[in-house]
Amino acid sequence: GQNIDQPTEMTATEGAIVQINCTYQTSGFNGLFWYQQHAGEAPTFLSYNVLDGLEEKGRFSSFLSRSKGYSYLLLKELQMKDSASYLCAVRDSNYQLIWGAGTKLIIKP
Amino acid sequence: GAVVSQHPSWVICKSGTSVKIECRSLDFQATTMFWYRQFPKQSLMLMATSNEGSKATYEQGVEKDKFLINHASLTLSTLTVTSAHPEDSSFYICSARGNNDYEQYFGPGTRLTVT
Repeated sequence: GQNIDQPTEMTATEGAIVQINCTYQTSGFNGLFWYQQHAGEAPTFLSYNVLDGLEEKGRFSSFLSRSKGYSYLLLKELQMKDSASYLCAVRDSNYQLIWGAGTKLIIKP
Repeated sequence: GAVVSQHPSWVICKSGTSVKIECRSLDFQATTMFWYRQFPKQSLMLMATSNEGSKATYEQGVEKDKFLINHASLTLSTLTVTSAHPEDSSFYICSARGNNDYEQYFGPGTRLTVT
């Protein structure tokens, strides 16, 4: 079956750095996405990786290793507004998005 | 960036009635639209995928006669929850994808409460 694993919850301190990991096992691979979702709102797009390596976009970076079925989202200079759920999703061979359960990130002052 | 709207943003209805939710792509043509449901503290669950002008493809376990999806144009898809029951109360989110775009653009979601 298809499976995406990410930690359920993480806590970090304002101004610090946090890394959220995601491992996946899917039937085929056509890209990995990270989304941010605040409580009661729809997800918003953060990043897309289809080739191995690091994609940097401001305070957020995303890394992919296809051979290991592994990705991480790195958040730097954490702000209180970064408190949200972070969803990892993989697009499979049928171009369907397979979603992880999300990682709830709690930022403490 | 591309914008997707949903209407209504929240709705309360009585058990047994039907509710229609609209999803519109405002500045692009959405060849494919997706409907998701999300229960509190859970991840998104794909309900169905629809391509403009054709019947929706429903995920296993989703009743197609209960959740009617229409994708009549490249900018509009509707989800109708028929004979709603309290267990249908959830957050319904649509997303849309253009023909040459890898990204899915999400609508703001519709919170449905069935009493």
